[in-house]
Amino acid sequence: GIQVEQSPPDLILQEGANSTLRCNFSDSVNNLQWFHQNPWGQLINLFYIPSGTKQNGRLSATTVATERYSLLYISSSQTTDSGVYFCAVEGASAGGTSYGKLTFGQGTILTVHP
Amino acid sequence: DARVTQTPRHKVTEMGQEVTMRCQPILGHNTVFWYRQTMMQGLELLAYFRNRAPLDDSGMPKDRFSAEMPDATLATLKIQPSEPRDSAVYFCASALTAPYGYTFGSGTRLTVV
Repeated sequence: GIQVEQSPPDLILQEGANSTLRCNFSDSVNNLQWFHQNPWGQLINLFYIPSGTKQNGRLSATTVATERYSLLYISSSQTTDSGVYFCAVEGASAGGTSYGKLTFGQGTILTVHP
Repeated sequence: DARVTQTPRHKVTEMGQEVTMRCQPILGHNTVFWYRQTMMQGLELLAYFRNRAPLDDSGMPKDRFSAEMPDATLATLKIQPSEPRDSAVYFCASALTAPYGYTFGSGTRLTVV
């Protein structure tokens, strides 16, 4: 099956700093999503981004499908950004249909200190 | 805000007992997923349904796990008999039409002693 590798595994920041999280995947995808798991365990969908660039407030994401990686940018980090960031992908099917069957990376643990 | 509701939030049970976890997907979502999260394996897909029909349960140990969707407002995941290695957080998620609107519930934390 498709492999997903995230880096770095851990990241510690001071409030206000910027960061870049990376997700590499081993095969073509028709579905890539970024999730944030907060310290209470809730998984929040940040982006659906199989290709291109999207922005939502201080967060933005870019996926370069041809090179099989995605980046999540966090600018002006806040303590509420702490948690685990997951990249999840679905390998491309022959007909291009997505079923939402996601394979998750191991995550990047982000800690933002005040 | 629309949400996926999972019950119970926490469950402690003895080895060998039956465990049933329930999920109410967001109204109108046609795809429902069950995931399991452990420290060792991370997040793994167990099973999923589209329009209440099971599409794939290859991630699930078939001898003890079963997943059903008796109606559009309820999905269940059952473990019988439970074992200590089943201890994990079980998440349900639903999507409007995959991959859009992917929303997770708060999870059921299962401890089997």
